[in-house]
Amino acid sequence: GQQLNQSPQSMFIQEGEDVSMNCTSSSIFNTWLWYKQDPGEGPVLLIALYKAGELTSNGRLTAQFGITRKDSFLNISASIPSDVGIYFCAGQLTSGSRLTFGEGTQLTVNP
Amino acid sequence: DGGITQSPKYLFRKEGQNVTLSCEQNLNHDAMYWYRQDPGQGLRLIYYSQIVNDFQKGDIAEGYSVSREKKESFPLTVTSAQKNPTAFYLCASSTNRANYGYTFGSGTRLTVV
Repeated sequence: GQQLNQSPQSMFIQEGEDVSMNCTSSSIFNTWLWYKQDPGEGPVLLIALYKAGELTSNGRLTAQFGITRKDSFLNISASIPSDVGIYFCAGQLTSGSRLTFGEGTQLTVNP
Repeated sequence: DGGITQSPKYLFRKEGQNVTLSCEQNLNHDAMYWYRQDPGQGLRLIYYSQIVNDFQKGDIAEGYSVSREKKESFPLTVTSAQKNPTAFYLCASSTNRANYGYTFGSGTRLTVV
């Protein structure tokens, strides 16, 4: 099935650093979503984006819906150890349509 | 509180045995999904169901079976035909009426020995 191109695959950073990751697609989406998966748990929704160009924040997290509707970015500022996990992007075309997921970005934060 | 529950959290089975993983939601969601996740890998879709009594194969359906007799429940059976069943299995649900994405369960880790 179709996958989104998510990068980077993994990141190793020091506590306090900022993090950026992105997803690109060959086709447009009308909704972009970012999930975080803690080790041994299911993914949890962090941010949902519904409009091209939209910039949305959730605490230290900021995500943007690309203007072309084919990409999205997630930034994490001032990382802390509990930010460790796998971050997934997902695109959705219409209400009720299946999500297309990226391969995930594995984030490791060194104290 | 509404949510989606997977049970058990850990499951061990001998090779050659069928095993059924439970997934229940009380979110009144229409659609339900099963994903498989291997270490360091992304999410691969096994089966999904948009309405009761109907389901479709995903990208890796071979060796798995499902049923959707009730809106709240979508059990997954891992059969002996699945060549490499040891993995982390995630169930999810969603509404068909809005773009709210999926709500995931906490997963079941299946180990076949």
